[in-house]
Amino acid sequence: LAKTTQPISMDSYEGQEVNITCSHNNIATNDYITWYQQFPSQGPRFIIQGYKTKVTNEVASLFIPADRKSSTLSLPRVSLSDTAVYYCLIDPYGGSQGNLIFGKGTKLSVKP
Amino acid sequence: DAMVIQNPRYQVTQFGKPVTLSCSQTLNHNVMYWYQQKSSQAPKLLFHYYDKDFNNEADTPDNFQSRRPNTSFCFLDIRSPGLGDAAMYLCATSREGVGVTQYFGPGTRLTVL
Repeated sequence: LAKTTQPISMDSYEGQEVNITCSHNNIATNDYITWYQQFPSQGPRFIIQGYKTKVTNEVASLFIPADRKSSTLSLPRVSLSDTAVYYCLIDPYGGSQGNLIFGKGTKLSVKP
Repeated sequence: DAMVIQNPRYQVTQFGKPVTLSCSQTLNHNVMYWYQQKSSQAPKLLFHYYDKDFNNEADTPDNFQSRRPNTSFCFLDIRSPGLGDAAMYLCATSREGVGVTQYFGPGTRLTVL
């Protein structure tokens, strides 16, 4: 199973773009890359998922290079409410087969 | 709104006293998961159901059991809670297939006295 490595913490200021990079050197062909956000005392919330190249939704973008050994979550113009822990996961078959392993996550602190 | 519901949100039990946590979903997803999350740690998958097929993670202690009587409900039974079992327990659901995402409930925080 592919393991992930991401920074333990990041600081940012309101209005800035935040990029969190995740390394997953042994990602397999069938693996998807998924990012979750978790606020204290709440369950994780899905942010975005991708397989290759670039994916964008209303809250974030996900950049995946051709070798897929890393991915970057991009949060445009963060606000204080984006302060949370962000988890990068490698999902075999996109998550429905179990075997999900959460990495340590990146604690993002957004300051005014 | 369709969602994943966990009851209770906070549960206190005594050392060794069996406890059951419940999860229900209105998403009609056929896959349900239970995770354990200890303070300042990432969620750790305990087991999951694919329909009625139970899939236990290799390192999940025997003290943890689960039941899924129907599509909507899933229960986590801790037969003899120890102090080390104090944690947030998260239930999640997903459809089957490729490229799906998991929907998490708010969690139940278990305290063991």
